[in-house]
Amino acid sequence: AQSVAQPEDQVNVAEGNPLTVKCTYSVSGNPYLFWYVQYPNRGLQFLLKYITGDNLVKGSYGFEAEFNKSQTSFHLKKPSALVSDSALYFCAVRDRGDYKLSFGAGTTVTVRA
Amino acid sequence: EPEVTQTPSHQVTQMGQEVILRCVPISNHLYFYWYRQILGQKVEFLVSFYNNEISEKSEIFDDQFSVERPDGSNFTLKIRSTKLEDSAMYFCASTPGAKNEQYFGPGTRLTVT
Repeated sequence: AQSVAQPEDQVNVAEGNPLTVKCTYSVSGNPYLFWYVQYPNRGLQFLLKYITGDNLVKGSYGFEAEFNKSQTSFHLKKPSALVSDSALYFCAVRDRGDYKLSFGAGTTVTVRA
Repeated sequence: EPEVTQTPSHQVTQMGQEVILRCVPISNHLYFYWYRQILGQKVEFLVSFYNNEISEKSEIFDDQFSVERPDGSNFTLKIRSTKLEDSAMYFCASTPGAKNEQYFGPGTRLTVT
């Protein structure tokens, strides 16, 4: 079985400050890990993924995430948040033997000007 | 940039009626998925489809649900006899390979009255 936990329902930061959205996962084997963002009335947009290799992965719009196997975490980060980053963020995991993604509950990010 | 499209954006139906949700995946993609998100809950996997057959399905995907790829471009989800609890946002996704990230459509909001 695979699962994802996003411990924070909401994250509020000021524009220009660092942004971190937390994610921990549980899978039986080695994971594929993903971050998606959802803007109002839009579908889920892919941000970045970890498949293998370097634990720090870089994605779209200046976001990055660090895979930590010992802590089973995959936190999303952005060094300097923008107001336009305000959205709903989902972490997802896929076991390498499966097809399906398992999603976290989502974290609403609000960046204030 | 190619996108997954879904129609309709909003479907209202009466309990017991059949509905068909339509998706046009990205043209060179080979794997297709349906997910749903009940209001306030996680995005949940329903089914994956590859090579004209179901490759994986969840326990949600019972005999009331079916999927079809009737031609080279459309991918449909049918619910034979809708229930109130089927009210949700339904997302279609596609990917060129099993290891790749999934690209999501904007969703169809299904309301069962």
